[in-house]
Amino acid sequence: GAGVSQSPSNKVTEKGKDVELRCDPISGHTALYWYRQSLGQGLEFLIYFQGNSAPDKSGLPSDRFSAERTGGSVSTLTIQRTQQEDSAVYLCASTPRGREWETQYFGPGTRLLVL
Amino acid sequence: GIQVEQSPPDLILQEGANSTLRCNFSDSVNNLQWFHQNPWGQLINLFYIPSGTKQNGRLSATTVATERYSLLYISSSQTTDSGVYFCAVHGSGNTGKLIFGQGTTLQVKP
Repeated sequence: GAGVSQSPSNKVTEKGKDVELRCDPISGHTALYWYRQSLGQGLEFLIYFQGNSAPDKSGLPSDRFSAERTGGSVSTLTIQRTQQEDSAVYLCASTPRGREWETQYFGPGTRLLVL
Repeated sequence: GIQVEQSPPDLILQEGANSTLRCNFSDSVNNLQWFHQNPWGQLINLFYIPSGTKQNGRLSATTVATERYSLLYISSSQTTDSGVYFCAVHGSGNTGKLIFGQGTTLQVKP
């Protein structure tokens, strides 16, 4: 079946502009995660959604970062007033309910470059 | 928070060789996963292994939770094994969010 999809694959933007990154999880998966992978920091957790519960936003690096998940499916990660240090690969993952501890299925990522 | 350290950071092998990758973690964990990130960036779960030993083809993994380490064995390596291997453990709270090690970059030469 279809895996986790993310769009766009690549995004180049100018410093100070806002960007939106999209994630379509695997159908039926209730848990959705955003991670960031950068050269200096490795893979970092950003935010977690599980069904209708309040999201775990503990990994968001600043208030310029926000995320929504509409209808328990598609998620959008928004970065406002982008900075050069936001350049990274943003990865989305999803998991079926009850299997969060066992595995996470990752999308191909969005490569963001802030000039 | 929990610290996850992997070694070696880089590894170059000749095709057909065997290797062992190590993951140390700073605190007791209930869950540990190994991932492979291919050269195109796709992350694939290899093992969910909180304790004990599992095998999948040429790959196997062992976690000794009481001693806070896990090992990933690659036997008869192939060029397609190249990429970055990450171990990850779950952070605090009941969310399943992963804390990743810095990874081991493996290059298998033909």
